[in-house]
Amino acid sequence: AQKVTQAQTEISVVEKEDVTLDCVYETRDTTYYLFWYKQPPSGELVFLIRRNSFDEQNEISGRYSWNFQKSTSSFNFTITASQVVDSAVYFCALGVFSGGYNKLIFGAGTRLAVHP
Amino acid sequence: DTEVTQTPKHLVMGMTNKKSLKCEQHMGHRAMYWYKQKAKKPPELMFVYSYEKLSINESVPSRFSPECPNSSLLNLHLHALQPEDSALYLCASSQKDRPGGNSPLHFGNGTRLTVT
Repeated sequence: AQKVTQAQTEISVVEKEDVTLDCVYETRDTTYYLFWYKQPPSGELVFLIRRNSFDEQNEISGRYSWNFQKSTSSFNFTITASQVVDSAVYFCALGVFSGGYNKLIFGAGTRLAVHP
Repeated sequence: DTEVTQTPKHLVMGMTNKKSLKCEQHMGHRAMYWYKQKAKKPPELMFVYSYEKLSINESVPSRFSPECPNSSLLNLHLHALQPEDSALYLCASSQKDRPGGNSPLHFGNGTRLTVT
């Protein structure tokens, strides 16, 4: 089965706190991709990062960092020194090739509220 | 600003109306997608076009009719919709649609559809 689990439905933090969004995935494929998307209240899905299954290096981009661990099938996302503008729903997604096309399997999403 | 443009942003239609959603991208992407997103849920794939041909129809009812007039445009024609079809309809595009080429999807802002 191919599945993405984001166990945290909602997280509420105060500005400047660090916050980690969890993502656990399941797949039998050896080649796959993992993504994080941000969906602010305006509605669009904003691409944040893509990792392939062969690259376990962690990545940092400004206040954002990602921790990919194949051993635990996790791809967690940390926001350092959170800001009100980080308030959004964050989706983790698994990209696999299935049925003849690239398929994106989304987790249920984590709603992050950052309060001033 | 998103590079995938969707119009209109909001649409209210009756169950007997015929309307169309439009999507445009100028990134040279050859795969385009329609997703449907209900409130507090992740996006669900409806259709995939690859090189202007319909590749995937995820068992979508015939009252939704996609069309890809050229590599930059994607339409979704709506007819005889039901109130439960009310949702955010997201268009996306990506560079590749083949094995090992799991390019990130770039999403538009979406059209928020209300069926009365």
